[in-house]
Amino acid sequence: QVQLQQSGPGLVKPSQTLSLTCVISGDSVSSNIAAWSWIRQSPSRGLEWLGRTYYRSKWYSDYAVSVKSRITINADTSKNQLSLHLSSVTPEDTAVYYCARARTSGTYDHWGQGSPVTVSS
Amino acid sequence: DIVMTQSPVSLSVTPGEPASISCRSSQSLLYSDGNNYLDWYLQKPGQSPQVLIYMNSNRASGVPDRFSGSGSGTEFTLKISRVEPEDVGVYFCMHALEVPLTFGGGTKLEIK
Repeated sequence: QVQLQQSGPGLVKPSQTLSLTCVISGDSVSSNIAAWSWIRQSPSRGLEWLGRTYYRSKWYSDYAVSVKSRITINADTSKNQLSLHLSSVTPEDTAVYYCARARTSGTYDHWGQGSPVTVSS
Repeated sequence: DIVMTQSPVSLSVTPGEPASISCRSSQSLLYSDGNNYLDWYLQKPGQSPQVLIYMNSNRASGVPDRFSGSGSGTEFTLKISRVEPEDVGVYFCMHALEVPLTFGGGTKLEIK
């Protein structure tokens, strides 16, 4: 069965880069029928889609406009994992971050356990 | 971006009674393939969201048949025919028509 195991620091200082990892088991990050996303959740913004990466003979990425200048989502095929890097963070980036797998229909059928991240000095 | 609006914000239901949640999108989610790209998720307390209904009316694997989804275009409904205590949590609709995918604000279901 598919499992997504997230890891990363729970506290990041303002202006630094937030980095999270999502190790995938039971599927391949380079699957031709899945897409891999990062989604965050906060009381003020609710559930917010941040971006995705997927492989269809080559790699593609899409990002939310709100974070496009600061975000990178990478797939590491050697480790079968997904990563999120969000630079120049502010307290507004405090949230629980989820990695998730999407089917071809866009439905998120598997989610990581969530990583609470606080941006504070 | 497509705006997803849910109602009500919260509801309190007696076990065994039905419940209904509405979701409205700011533009049609009906694609040229005939499918409505609207999903429903439940986030139980302390857990990650889990899919209940995908593409408007298809129950995800393992989801009890007391859950059903209906609607088309911009108006959608999630119905629970008989609420069980384990159904407590926050229900979200989400469109998957295009990027960015967006979510409704959530409906919190409590048991009376």
